[in-house]
Amino acid sequence: DAGITQSPRYKITETGRQVTLMCHQTWSHSYMFWYRQDLGHGLRLIYYSAAADITDKGEVPDGYVVSRSKTENFPLTLESATRSQTSVYFCASSESRRATVRLTEAFFGQGTRLTVV
Amino acid sequence: AQSVTQPDIHITVSEGASLELRCNYSYGATPYLFWYVQSPGQGLQLLLKYFSGDTLVQGIKGFEAEFKRSQSSFNLRKPSVHWSDAAEYFCAVGATPGSARQLTFGSGTQLTVLP
Repeated sequence: DAGITQSPRYKITETGRQVTLMCHQTWSHSYMFWYRQDLGHGLRLIYYSAAADITDKGEVPDGYVVSRSKTENFPLTLESATRSQTSVYFCASSESRRATVRLTEAFFGQGTRLTVV
Repeated sequence: AQSVTQPDIHITVSEGASLELRCNYSYGATPYLFWYVQSPGQGLQLLLKYFSGDTLVQGIKGFEAEFKRSQSSFNLRKPSVHWSDAAEYFCAVGATPGSARQLTFGSGTQLTVLP
């Protein structure tokens, strides 16, 4: 199906374990993003990617690693999960049009609810 | 750096009443402004966006928002709320092209609709 999909939808893991959240989009959008959503904080950007093999830190990158070997995939890895990383994680994508000043909106996946125990 | 403030954490309105959700932004250049809605267990859906031009923008589901540069505001309105509008609403500001294209979100406003 076309769109942006995240997997898994729900995940419970133990402190100290490595866990990877997957994100896949079918639009060939250049930009992809990872956000975490926590009560009282709204959405905060973790990492983003402007294209394959180009990634950069967002507001809250510590404890996370990303990669983007293919345009359509943007996995987020928690190298050693901590309880403070319990959150809902959203992946998003958007187009990049250098020829225009219009910024297109981001399209969001349905989220992954991660619990670290 | 850009920032967004949504002063109201939670708003309760009766079905059929009018609604206004407040959003104030801080950004040094021309802002690109968005309103998203998140229904329970769902991702975010774009309601409307402002890039330039007419300061009153129409969105989906009967929502509109007005950009007021003098007040650094982009408030969301709906003349008559439906029970299905109960959700969390996020205002966001986007960076200008040429820099990082990430969105900065407000902390959200939870809307409850009473029958």
